[in-house]
Amino acid sequence: QKEVEQDPGPLSVPEGAIVSLNCTYSNSAFQYFMWYRQYSRKGPELLMYTYSSGNKEDGRFTAQVDKSSKYISLFIRDSQPSDSATYLCAILTGANNLFFGTGTRLTVIP
Amino acid sequence: EPEVTQTPSHQVTQMGQEVILRCVPISNHLYFYWYRQILGQKVEFLVSFYNNEISEKSEIFDDQFSVERPDGSNFTLKIRSTKLEDSAMYFCASSRDRDNQPQHFGDGTRLSIL
Repeated sequence: QKEVEQDPGPLSVPEGAIVSLNCTYSNSAFQYFMWYRQYSRKGPELLMYTYSSGNKEDGRFTAQVDKSSKYISLFIRDSQPSDSATYLCAILTGANNLFFGTGTRLTVIP
Repeated sequence: EPEVTQTPSHQVTQMGQEVILRCVPISNHLYFYWYRQILGQKVEFLVSFYNNEISEKSEIFDDQFSVERPDGSNFTLKIRSTKLEDSAMYFCASSRDRDNQPQHFGDGTRLSIL
């Protein structure tokens, strides 16, 4: 069973659109969830870090965790061309290592 | 903003040779990691390192691999007798402490085995 599933996209939206990126996970014991952004030829850059259920907002970014359905989301408001990147969801295991999704490639068209 | 740095950015090595990938974690971080990303696949955990010893390792991290913190700033991944399938991006990461801390990644070393 795959630990984390993520729609690989690609996803293409016009500038200013609201973007929704989603992952599902298998183990209900997971409690720490992260979103990373990865530009081409760069390492994953931490965007959001959330614990348990609920929402966390940082500027144009909102991370949402629904533990009852084992579903995590990242919303990007007023998307910009500079948001074009691959977005990776990741889950922190009890052993302190990360399980990553496959990543969703996002393109924001000016 | 402090960052994780990795060298070299690209390493080309003949199959069967040994390779050492280097990382300088963020200076006040205590927990270090290596991950691997084969082209087109997920980022996969290899190993974590804390207090000068391996904390966890995945099934990928077999006897071919070793890690070391040779001094107060560097953290290295050694791959002995490289194979074609070792070709991948290797990412180093660090976190401030052991439990439930966010991990910060370097830009990776692209390893190409010929």
